[in-house]
Parts: sequence; C-alpha cells; structure tokens
Amino acid sequence: SSELTQDPAVSVALGQTVRITCQGDSLRHYAASWYQQRPGQAPVVVIYGNNNRPSGIPDRFSGSRSGNTASLTITGAQAEDEADYFCHSRDIGNNRLGYVFGPATKVAVL
Amino acid sequence: EVQLVESGGGLVQPGGSLTLSCEISGFTFRTYWMSWVRQAPGKGLEWVANIKEDGSEKYYVDSVKGRFTISRDNAKNSLFLQMKSLRAEDTAVYFCAREGWTVLDYWGQGTLVTVSS
Repeated sequence: SSELTQDPAVSVALGQTVRITCQGDSLRHYAASWYQQRPGQAPVVVIYGNNNRPSGIPDRFSGSRSGNTASLTITGAQAEDEADYFCHSRDIGNNRLGYVFGPATKVAVL
Repeated sequence: EVQLVESGGGLVQPGGSLTLSCEISGFTFRTYWMSWVRQAPGKGLEWVANIKEDGSEKYYVDSVKGRFTISRDNAKNSLFLQMKSLRAEDTAVYFCAREGWTVLDYWGQGTLVTVSS
C-alpha cells in the first residue's frame, strides 16, 4: 500500500497561523482529507477534497494540494484546535478502493 | 442526526474470534459505502476494510485479509466486522465510518478490542 508522511508535532502561539503538510504519491492521484482528533474522541473531518470545509467547521481551517503534498492551515489558532491531525487519501497500491492515513501531526497551541 | 454506534468489543484471547457491530441511523444506509478503521492504543489511524452499498465488493488492508470479514445488513441498517485468529497487534479501538467521495465523513465513537491472554 502507499504511504503518507507528516511531521510528528508542531506548536503555534494562540492566534497565530500554522501549516501542517502531508506527502505521498497517492496525493498526486487522489484528493486529501484532514481529520482532527482530540484525546479520547473519534476523528472529525475538517477538510475534504483537498480544500473543502464541512458545515460547522470554522473558516480558520483551510486546505490545499500541490503535486504530492497536501497542506492544512489553521489561521488564528485557538486553544480548542490543540489535537492530532491526520491526513488521508485513497490508496494507490493493491487496495485502490481502500484508504491510507498519515501518522498524524500533534498540534500544540501555546 | 447521523449516528453510528459500535458494539461488540471486549477482551479476547489470542487466536479467538469476535464480531463487531455498527448500528446506523440518520441517513439512507443502503446508499453508502462503509468502512472500518482502527486505532491501536497511542497510535495512528489504520483503515481496515470497506464494503460497497449492496455488499458486492469488499476490500481489506493486507494485515487482516483472510482473518476479518466485513458485511452489512441493509434491512437492519447494520454494519459488521467478523474477526478471527485475533492477534495481540489487533488490539485497538475500532471505528465504523460512512464514506463520502474519498472522505470518511461520519464516524462512530468506537469500540475497544483487546487481544490478550
């Protein structure tokens, strides 16, 4: 199966901007989604289709993709944004109708 | 309101079996692909399996092929994951999730499976 890579952790000052990136060959072919997971909770999608935000997700969350790299940007980070963020796409390996997740980036809001 | 509620987790010995269920409400279940995703303690998310709307296509991550079987009952709005020959490395919280277009847009709260003697 294909792989997605992410930086393990990043910190951002309250109210500042942070960008998280995700790299992998599958991103050249399929759209990226991003999930936020707080401790003890189920993941919640914050971006899908590279740059679409579901209803109810604050507009400080935005996404983009270029080549094999997808990005999630939090503009004006809030304390409640402290969480793990996983990127996700279809798999380009044998399980082409399956999925692959990145290993997560832990965002700390200082 | 969309709801997915998993059940069936618990403690099982290595080599044992367990069947997880996911009860769905709030959307037309029979029109969506569905997935199972797991998360080992302190680890990341791993997609496990998915199933087409009518159950005619099923896909699995390599590590569970031949041991796990995904199925669904559209009349009962239920999704299942039958797990056999369980190993310690299958210990995880198992989530069911609805598939949108390349996104898992709704998730349950998960059910914990612990494989240990």
